[in-house]
Amino acid sequence: SQQGEEDPQALSIQEGENATMNCSYKTSINNLQWYRQNSGRGLVHLILIRSNEREKHSGRLRVTLDTSKKSSSLLITASRAADTASYFCARHNTDKLIFGTGTRLQVFP
Amino acid sequence: DAGVIQSPRHEVTEMGQEVTLRCKPISGHNSLFWYRQTMMRGLELLIYFNNNVPIDDSGMPEDRFSAKMPNASFSTLKIQPSEPRDSAVYFCASNRDSTGELFFGEGSRLTVL
Repeated sequence: SQQGEEDPQALSIQEGENATMNCSYKTSINNLQWYRQNSGRGLVHLILIRSNEREKHSGRLRVTLDTSKKSSSLLITASRAADTASYFCARHNTDKLIFGTGTRLQVFP
Repeated sequence: DAGVIQSPRHEVTEMGQEVTLRCKPISGHNSLFWYRQTMMRGLELLIYFNNNVPIDDSGMPEDRFSAKMPNASFSTLKIQPSEPRDSAVYFCASNRDSTGELFFGEGSRLTVL
């Protein structure tokens, strides 16, 4: 299968709470990327973390990478209703990007 | 920059018809990717090009699917003949360096009746 494992599949939280999404993979990577997809739209890149990095921040986003466990997590702090979307991790291996199955995040106002 | 441009945005066709999806990558990007998204299988990489040359088409489901990139600013994905199971959203994406972030188009939603 091209896809990795992401959990949870769906997540519902209240505005202001933090949202954590996890991604696991099986093969070695050059980098791991997170994308967001609003309903009916294309994917938008959020953040890239290289295989030699352990943590990266961008605004309210925090990504961690544990290559020994082959896992990554995306934390969205102080969530907003506008954060409602699907979030995908994507593993870069050789020349191509393979996407996980995604987490559907619903943030209630 | 206009971003990655895909057409048509929506296509409804009957089984057996030929379908052609089009993509214009971002100017200056030298890698182009075609993905298919369905509820059942998620996002699948179908094929990608580097400098207009197909590098990996192992994701193309069968011979009914073909893709071309005649120049740096245009690519097509063709399905002939189409089948109902081809119904999906097809995304085109490009980047400057195949290791970096991908820029996606808005997708072409295909429905085969």
